[in-house]
Amino acid sequence: EVQLVESGGGLVQPGGSLKLSCAASGFTFSGSAMHWVRQASGKGLEWVGRIRSKANSYATAYAASVKGRFTISRDDSKNTAYLQMNSLKTEDTAVYYCTRLSYSGSYQDWGQGTLVTVSS
Amino acid sequence: AIRMTQSPSSLSASTGDRVTITCRASQGISSYLAWYQQKPGKAPKLLIYAASTLQSGVPSRFSGSGSGTDFTLTISCLQSEDFATYYCQQYYSYPPTFGPGTKVDIK
Repeated sequence: EVQLVESGGGLVQPGGSLKLSCAASGFTFSGSAMHWVRQASGKGLEWVGRIRSKANSYATAYAASVKGRFTISRDDSKNTAYLQMNSLKTEDTAVYYCTRLSYSGSYQDWGQGTLVTVSS
Repeated sequence: AIRMTQSPSSLSASTGDRVTITCRASQGISSYLAWYQQKPGKAPKLLIYAASTLQSGVPSRFSGSGSGTDFTLTISCLQSEDFATYYCQQYYSYPPTFGPGTKVDIK
């Protein structure tokens, strides 16, 4: 059974930093691209970024709204993906989901999400 | 970025009704479209990918159609567990983008 478990969310002040983790199991993590998607309260889904596998040079891509502030990484030995968030803004307040890109290109597996609140 | 729109933004329906949700892309995306269902406090659940392919385990009352810019999600006979918000998403080009959602609630 595929499992994705996010952790690391919490309350942080504007301008602060936070690092989220996504622990994966039940599939070949090292061969999978991992994505992050967020959702502000009562709002829709917004793609944040992704990291590809080693075979694809660990290539990353980011939404324009977070580029230069957020960094996605992975540790295949730990089956874990990370989202480092710096220079946080109030508008970054959201539930952050990690998700696995399936062979079809859609998001078949999702974590339960972790809440990030940026507030003074 | 490709902009996705959905209509209606919400609808009220009764159990047993046939429900259709429309999704439109700002430019052609071939069949690179997925539909998700989301219930309050839960992660989205993949229903359909490649515009019309039913994800394993999803009831056959769900169906998808369309290609290019116009797509539909149909629930043939609404069940109580189908009351939720539905999102379309394109994965034709980066960045992947989602529609704003359609909330289906009880009439």
